[in-house]
Amino acid sequence: AQSVTQLDSHVSVSEGTPVLLRCNYSSSYSPSLFWYVQHPNKGLQLLLKYTSAATLVKGINGFEAEFKKSETSFHLTKPSAHMSDAAEYFCVVSDRFGNEKLTFGTGTRLTIIP
Amino acid sequence: DAGVIQSPRHEVTEMGQEVTLRCKPISGHDYLFWYRQTMMRGLELLIYFNNNVPIDDSGMPEDRFSAKMPNASFSTLKIQPSEPRDSAVYFCASSPRALTGVRQETQYFGPGTRLLVL
Repeated sequence: AQSVTQLDSHVSVSEGTPVLLRCNYSSSYSPSLFWYVQHPNKGLQLLLKYTSAATLVKGINGFEAEFKKSETSFHLTKPSAHMSDAAEYFCVVSDRFGNEKLTFGTGTRLTIIP
Repeated sequence: DAGVIQSPRHEVTEMGQEVTLRCKPISGHDYLFWYRQTMMRGLELLIYFNNNVPIDDSGMPEDRFSAKMPNASFSTLKIQPSEPRDSAVYFCASSPRALTGVRQETQYFGPGTRLLVL
């Protein structure tokens, strides 16, 4: 079985300051991990994914995430927040050797303060 | 590529009516997924298809829900009869290959259908 825990339901940061969205996962096998973003009234867009290659993964719009197996974490970061980053962010886990299902976290709403 | 296309984008109906949601996956994708998103339950996988064949429908809430994929470029999700608790955003996603194995592929999501059952 696999699961994802997003530790914060809501994060607020000022424009230009760093962003940290936390995610812990549980997986019986080697996981693939993803971060998706959902802007208001829009579908989900892939930000980045980890699939057993480099542990530091770079995504779109300046986001990156680091896979830490010892901590079972996959936190999402960005050095400097932009107003357009305001959205809902989902951490997602997939079992690479299991079935095709994705397991979604409950989401973190990121608010950017001008 | 146009991406995953869903229609309608918004649907308002009355309790007891039949609702049909439509999805066109990205051309060449082998997998198609239907999700439901609500405030209370977040994102839930309802059913997914591989090469037009339903693989896992364990997420379908009850017999009022049914899904079909008559060909590689079209799928429907039907609710009959609809109830107010079915109000949600329904997403369709497609993927070009199996997620299992060494190489992983991403699911590409459509814009969703916002359903309101009165």
